[in-house]
Amino acid sequence: KNQVEQSPQSLIILEGKNCTLQCNYTVSPFSNLRWYKQDTGRGPVSLTIMTFSENTKSNGRYTATLDADTKQSSLHITASQLSDSASYICVVPRAGNMLTFGGGTRLMVKP
Amino acid sequence: EAGVTQSPTHLIKTRGQQATLRCSPISGHTSVYWYQQALGLGLQFLLWYDEGEERNRGNFPPRFSGRQFPNYSSELNVNALELEDSALYLCASSLGSWENSPLHFGNGTRLTVT
Repeated sequence: KNQVEQSPQSLIILEGKNCTLQCNYTVSPFSNLRWYKQDTGRGPVSLTIMTFSENTKSNGRYTATLDADTKQSSLHITASQLSDSASYICVVPRAGNMLTFGGGTRLMVKP
Repeated sequence: EAGVTQSPTHLIKTRGQQATLRCSPISGHTSVYWYQQALGLGLQFLLWYDEGEERNRGNFPPRFSGRQFPNYSSELNVNALELEDSALYLCASSLGSWENSPLHFGNGTRLTVT
């Protein structure tokens, strides 16, 4: 069954601290994995797309990793800011031009 | 470049009524996707339109329908509204096959059914 599981469901950290969000998937065949950031009440915004051959990709303070063998991805946020408070969603395409969405991790950064 | 725009931003309806939500994709994007996001839940796929045709639909009843116009804008219609239809409805667009390109989302229409 094609699934995308994210952990933790929610996370609270202090401003300036680092954190890592996890994504495990069982979607097959695999082509790429995407991380989106969704601020409350707004649409998701793409952070990064990782293809099968990429292990690490950075976008500012965001670094995504991918292990296609273990079917795991992580999103690491460095030196968190209050504006990082949002839901982070892991998405994996599957056959038929469909997307499988993870349930998201809700991150709250406190001052 | 203007992003994906959705209207209205908020919509309040009573049970049994009909709702129409609108979406304008990014210029040049031919595919439009509709998703439902109930409070605290993940995105659930509703419909996919490309070049004016419905290409796929999610596991939703037939009272959820839509269409895509020649200018690639799209409408989502929800008939016989039920309380559980209350959700954020997100529209996204892509340039043809999005296999290696991101979907671009609008900020959604918040539908409240009372």
